[in-house]
Amino acid sequence: KNQVEQSPQSLIILEGKNCTLQCNYTVSPFSNLRWYKQDTGRGPVSLTIMTFSENTKSNGRYTATLDADTKQSSLHITASQLSDSASYICVVSSYTGGFKTIFGAGTRLFVKA
Amino acid sequence: NAGVTQTPKFQVLKTGQSMTLQCAQDMNHEYMSWYRQDPGMGLRLIHYSVGAGITDQGEVPNGYNVSRSTTEDFPLRLLSAAPSQTSVYFCASSLGTLRSGELFFGEGSRLTVL
Repeated sequence: KNQVEQSPQSLIILEGKNCTLQCNYTVSPFSNLRWYKQDTGRGPVSLTIMTFSENTKSNGRYTATLDADTKQSSLHITASQLSDSASYICVVSSYTGGFKTIFGAGTRLFVKA
Repeated sequence: NAGVTQTPKFQVLKTGQSMTLQCAQDMNHEYMSWYRQDPGMGLRLIHYSVGAGITDQGEVPNGYNVSRSTTEDFPLRLLSAAPSQTSVYFCASSLGTLRSGELFFGEGSRLTVL
């Protein structure tokens, strides 16, 4: 069964600290993996996208990694800011005659001053 | 450049009522889709369209209808609302058929069915 599991479910960190969010997937065949940021009451916004051949992709203080062999991805946030408080959603796409996207349930990050 | 615009932002319905959630995009995207987001779950695809006049069912299509008469608009119709349809609904669009990777989402429509 195609699934995307994210951990932890929620996380509280102090402003300025780093954190890493995890995404494990069982989607096959794999096409690409994206991380989205969703602020409370808003729609998700894309942070990064990685294909099978990409191991790392950065977007400012956000760095995503992908290990296609173990089917794991992580999102590392450096020097967190209050504005990083949001849900982070891992999305895996598969292509079998047509594209299918499977969304993780997200990790809720709270950054405290 | 507005991106993806959804209306209304909030709606309360009684069981059995019908309504339409509106979605419009100004990016000339071929692909448009509707998702619902429920607590503790990932977004689930309701219906999608790969171009004007073409629609198809997603993962949870029951109780919803869509049409795509223009590239810009992709309304979602609830035929007879049920409490199980209480959710936040997101419309999204993408260039091509997701091959480029990025979905652009609207701000969401929060629906409560009593």
